[in-house]
Amino acid sequence: DAGITQSPRHKVTETGTPVTLRCHQTENHRYMYWYRQDPGHGLRLIHYSYGVKDTDKGEVSDGYSVSRSKTEDFLLTLESATSSQTSVYFCAIHGGGTTGELFFGEGSRLTVL
Amino acid sequence: QKEVEQDPGPLSVPEGAIVSLNCTYSNSAFQYFMWYRQYSRKGPELLMYTYSSGNKEDGRFTAQVDKSSKYISLFIRDSQPSDSATYLCALENQAGTALIFGKGTTLSVSS
Repeated sequence: DAGITQSPRHKVTETGTPVTLRCHQTENHRYMYWYRQDPGHGLRLIHYSYGVKDTDKGEVSDGYSVSRSKTEDFLLTLESATSSQTSVYFCAIHGGGTTGELFFGEGSRLTVL
Repeated sequence: QKEVEQDPGPLSVPEGAIVSLNCTYSNSAFQYFMWYRQYSRKGPELLMYTYSSGNKEDGRFTAQVDKSSKYISLFIRDSQPSDSATYLCALENQAGTALIFGKGTTLSVSS
């Protein structure tokens, strides 16, 4: 158990509403990530953080923002959700070793109607 | 061309078969190569990693990297129904800050 908790695990919302997904870690790791997983696309990086208040964009960052005010929490916000953002969102933390291993949470399944 | 290409399958084999899963990549600078396994409705978990070229064995699993061909493989010997999952190859990006994943291959092993 890598000590990663995602919330909510399931959410259904309507187009145009704001949504925030939360990732909480108990491991005190510096690097945290948000990926989305879609059929036919695999896992794609949205944003990542390398420390408190330090974040950077990934491959599919448009329409998403992130915040990290504490080491243990990394928030992903959809300011105005669209149907194309229906997906499974995974949070991950870097294991801290030299191999680049990531530990993933259980995922948050978001449906935008 | 995408940085990592992986045939999504699905792949169905009988129990006991040898399974070969493959990915190709485009950037010769990649150094760390990984295979993740993901069970249905779960997060991916690291199965094996390899640094640079060569083979690495762990029980029934063998990871192989051919940097000259930009080709990575995962072999599963004596496959079991419990191996039924999606297998994703992953490479560490050049900056060493994140992983780039293939699309994943869904494997089903029937008893």
